[in-house]
Amino acid sequence: GENVGLHLPTLSVQEGDNSIINCAYSNSASDYFIWYKQESGKGPQFIIDIRSNMDKRQGQRVTVLLNKTVKHLSLQIAATQPGDSAVYFCAENSTYGGSQGNLIFGKGTKLSVKP
Amino acid sequence: SAVISQKPSRDICQRGTSLTIQCQVDSQVTMMFWYRQQPGQSLTLIATANQGSEATYESGFVIDKFPISRPNLTFSTLTVSNMSPEDSSIYLCSVARAGDEQYFGPGTRLTVT
Repeated sequence: GENVGLHLPTLSVQEGDNSIINCAYSNSASDYFIWYKQESGKGPQFIIDIRSNMDKRQGQRVTVLLNKTVKHLSLQIAATQPGDSAVYFCAENSTYGGSQGNLIFGKGTKLSVKP
Repeated sequence: SAVISQKPSRDICQRGTSLTIQCQVDSQVTMMFWYRQQPGQSLTLIATANQGSEATYESGFVIDKFPISRPNLTFSTLTVSNMSPEDSSIYLCSVARAGDEQYFGPGTRLTVT
């Protein structure tokens, strides 16, 4: 079946540095990708999404890059802050908006920000 | 966005018993989903809760073990039946409107002893 996974299970960065979290997916038919942030004891929180017809999308301090050739997704966080410490999940869906069908989640990367 | 609440937030249950988890959203939504997140793991979809009809279950999940109700567009329940320690997980409800992203509830942390 489809596989959405992450290259690094843990990432430790210094406050103020940029963070890059990576994700690989195997379903070439996926057309919509999402990054979620999950803080301890909470449900996943939507960060940013991207459709397959885009290569890059920017939000506030975050950028998602999509490389369909190698089926790779990344999340870049600029000027990482202690509040960014959490587990980050990528997810894929074959229907825009994630409202139809299954969201397939990657394994998660734990981001730790050192003050 | 949507404000989602789940009850209970956590529970400790004995094996062989059942627990019903409630999910309430503050506005009508098209889709409601139930996920399981085992300790230290990612999220796995259990089923899609369909209003007025039987839920749609993913491979590996069955109605007898995880019966689901969705009586209206703002409320759903998930029951974990005949529990065993392997059912210890966080159970998460998510919702979505057509063309919108999924929003997750805070989760219910279940421990089975």
